[in-house]
Amino acid sequence: ETGVTQTPRHLVMGMTNKKSLKCEQHLGHNAMYWYKQSAKKPLELMFVYSLEERVENNSVPSRFSPECPNSSHLFLHLHTLQPEDSALYLCASSQDTGSGELFFGEGSRLTVL
Amino acid sequence: GQNIDQPTEMTATEGAIVQINCTYQTSGFNGLFWYQQHAGEAPTFLSYNVLDGLEEKGRFSSFLSRSKGYSYLLLKELQMKDSASYLCAVRYYGQNFVFGPGTRLSVLP
Repeated sequence: ETGVTQTPRHLVMGMTNKKSLKCEQHLGHNAMYWYKQSAKKPLELMFVYSLEERVENNSVPSRFSPECPNSSHLFLHLHTLQPEDSALYLCASSQDTGSGELFFGEGSRLTVL
Repeated sequence: GQNIDQPTEMTATEGAIVQINCTYQTSGFNGLFWYQQHAGEAPTFLSYNVLDGLEEKGRFSSFLSRSKGYSYLLLKELQMKDSASYLCAVRYYGQNFVFGPGTRLSVLP
């Protein structure tokens, strides 16, 4: 039990589909993150939210759309993805953006056909 | 950008000691973290260094030299379950974490 849960754990979608990844943290943290993990590449930061406000967007294509309705929930909406978007998408939280370690969810393994 | 370097793969024998090195750019440094990630699982926090020196936590220790931009993770009395990827991550002032590529450690019997 990591305190950060992600659903679904596995997702297969076509390039024309629309799907969403969900993340929920039960730790009372103020900051939430989306990371992309591809084979043989470092973790790539995609989005950062602090108290439900987006504070960082690392040049992520618009086919990825984050949503943070409250400090415990984070979504990543996906549409018209490309095969190269296939990766493990990790959600994480921390006490604040400038302090504390990251607590990761188990990840959502995405395959785009 | 801030590049973090670590060896890609390492192999060691059960019961041995292994040292995983990490180098980083020093400008704006505000803390270094080590994470362990088993295949198909979430990364889990191992250690945190912000001052020079050695932090010991059971079989795992982490060392930091801020002037050299260098850290290592030391794993003693290796067990098979220690086979995993070890991620070095640096927090810089005004930025979020920057992760290294990870070191895949294989522990052999």
